[in-house]
Amino acid sequence: GAVVSQHPSWVICKSGTSVKIECRSLDFQATTMFWYRQFPKQSLMLMATSNEGSKATYEQGVEKDKFLINHASLTLSTLTVTSAHPEDSSFYICSAGSYGYTFGSGTRLTVV
Amino acid sequence: QQQVKQSPQSLIVQKGGISIINCAYENTAFDYFPWYQQFPGKGPALLIAIRPDVSEKKEGRFTISFNKSAKQFSLHIMDSQPGDSATYFCAASRDNYGQNFVFGPGTRLSVLP
Repeated sequence: GAVVSQHPSWVICKSGTSVKIECRSLDFQATTMFWYRQFPKQSLMLMATSNEGSKATYEQGVEKDKFLINHASLTLSTLTVTSAHPEDSSFYICSAGSYGYTFGSGTRLTVV
Repeated sequence: QQQVKQSPQSLIVQKGGISIINCAYENTAFDYFPWYQQFPGKGPALLIAIRPDVSEKKEGRFTISFNKSAKQFSLHIMDSQPGDSATYFCAASRDNYGQNFVFGPGTRLSVLP
């Protein structure tokens, strides 16, 4: 149980375009999901908390207009990187469920 | 106060040896402390976790030791295997449901055959 599916696993996009990343809880309902960002050989940094049916809560320093989060259902949260630039290239990971059980497999975003 | 410190940054251990990774925190409001294992290109996977009311927890070859007064906790991997080679993160939860985590900077473990 407690499976989180993240899609796509990797994506390459051109600078200036937008990219959507999906995070799904497959066998449980998640009123809250979390989005993390991880640079190479670095730790995970929390970007935002996604709340079903309401606005996401962003961590200090994270641009809410650049990283759009939508949590329209109890099983799906999406992160859209808008007008992506090379500095947005990173590994994005979502998590859901209590007590740290489940992280998604991550999405490697490369902006060229 | 929201930081979790972790050491060493990297660790090399011979097969069969004991791997020890240490973490420290400042915020006494943290109440759930998990350890994660991450392989390259993958999301972190929960290994073992502990709450502050317990001083030690063991699951198979993995043991967490917790020192509440010192605000420190450590991961011991007994009989380390090459398949244990990965990056390990300690973390601390800052909410009541073990969801919202602050992560340590990570330790890259290499177990030599």
